[in-house]
Amino acid sequence: DSGVTQTPKHLITATGQRVTLRCSPRSGDLSVYWYQQSLDQGLQFLIQYYNGEERAKGNILERFSAQQFPDLHSELNLSSLELGDSALYFCASSDSPSGSIYEQFFGPGTRLTVL
Amino acid sequence: QKEVEQDPGPLSVPEGAIVSLNCTYSNSAFQYFMWYRQYSRKGPELLMYTYSSGNKEDGRFTAQVDKSSKYISLFIRDSQPSDSATYLCAMSKGNNRLAFGKGNQVVVIP
Repeated sequence: DSGVTQTPKHLITATGQRVTLRCSPRSGDLSVYWYQQSLDQGLQFLIQYYNGEERAKGNILERFSAQQFPDLHSELNLSSLELGDSALYFCASSDSPSGSIYEQFFGPGTRLTVL
Repeated sequence: QKEVEQDPGPLSVPEGAIVSLNCTYSNSAFQYFMWYRQYSRKGPELLMYTYSSGNKEDGRFTAQVDKSSKYISLFIRDSQPSDSATYLCAMSKGNNRLAFGKGNQVVVIP
């Protein structure tokens, strides 16, 4: 168990809808990262927050947004959902602003299915 | 061209065999090289981490980095059924972003 929790485990919704995925980092970790994993694209970095501030942005669509709250939990909001958004969404945390140097600990993921 | 290429083909080996996995990359700025292991229905977990070129050994696992060829490898000796998982290479320039390969599914047959 990595210590990172994600809810919900599974989410099934329809095209055009909006969903919110939630992540609680390991105790003491200030950095939270969001990734999308699909069969054709693999694991893709979306966005990073460090202590409430956006730190780095990857291949995140404009329909997606995230935030990190004062208690350090983070939410990823996905709107105007399309079939192609169906994927596994992972949250990871680390105790450093530069997570590539220090280990990133991944949560169990949220499986999103858009019908 | 993707930054990190990892042939996603599945690999089945008998127990005790050596598993050999590799990735190539195009960005010469990558300095940190990692291998993550992902069991079914779980998140990835860091297996090995190396900085720059060279070899690193940890038990049955050996990671190799050849920056001149932009090529990294992971070897698993005396493979066990518990090694059955997807193995993802990842690399970074030292900033906040990890670039991942697509992963190799490895099945070790008892």
